[in-house]
Amino acid sequence: DVKVTQSSRYLVKRTGEKVFLECVQDMDHENMFWYRQDPGLGLRLIYFSYDVKMKEKGDIPEGYSVSREKKERFSLILESASTNQTSMYLCASSLDLGLNTEAFFGQGTRLTVV
Amino acid sequence: DAKTTQPTSMDCAEGRAANLPCNHSTISGNEYVYWYRQIHSQGPQYIIHGLKNNETNEMASLIITEDRKSSTLILPHATLRDTAVYYCIVPNQAGTALIFGKGTTLSVSS
Repeated sequence: DVKVTQSSRYLVKRTGEKVFLECVQDMDHENMFWYRQDPGLGLRLIYFSYDVKMKEKGDIPEGYSVSREKKERFSLILESASTNQTSMYLCASSLDLGLNTEAFFGQGTRLTVV
Repeated sequence: DAKTTQPTSMDCAEGRAANLPCNHSTISGNEYVYWYRQIHSQGPQYIIHGLKNNETNEMASLIITEDRKSSTLILPHATLRDTAVYYCIVPNQAGTALIFGKGTTLSVSS
């Protein structure tokens, strides 16, 4: 069974902390994505990566960075967490969206910044 | 990037067909239309996708108009477990990421 695993389901961090959200996929997929989801706003793309060490900004990259040192792992980093980054974070992976394939999502990490 | 427009919410009686419309009038010729759904507190789940022809799988059917400017997702016999937010999605122009809108909240009641 294909799987995208996010390291934490729930996380509480303090303002100003450096936060790492980890995502691992076991499908040897090229593409990985980070979204955040907020009530009334739907899912918004933060960053994505189409290969190891490659990354592209999505619609809302401000305040975030990413790391992809290995194909199976894609990390989202909040350099200095702020309360407006309280949200549900969703990781996804896909073989290649342009070639008739689907994306698989993790269960999400609900981050609260206090 | 192509945009999609969906109704905010829809209701459906259990056992009846649920027909969820989507407008994607700016879609280009080689862009697929994808449908995902998200049940409360879970990650989005893939349902179906298509380019030109109608598609059917074990979960749903997808009807795409000939001009490709709109599509309809059909759940033939809706159940209570189909209550979810349904997203109609077109990838970005580079074909590298799914761009989600706000989706349609489908409520199935008995």
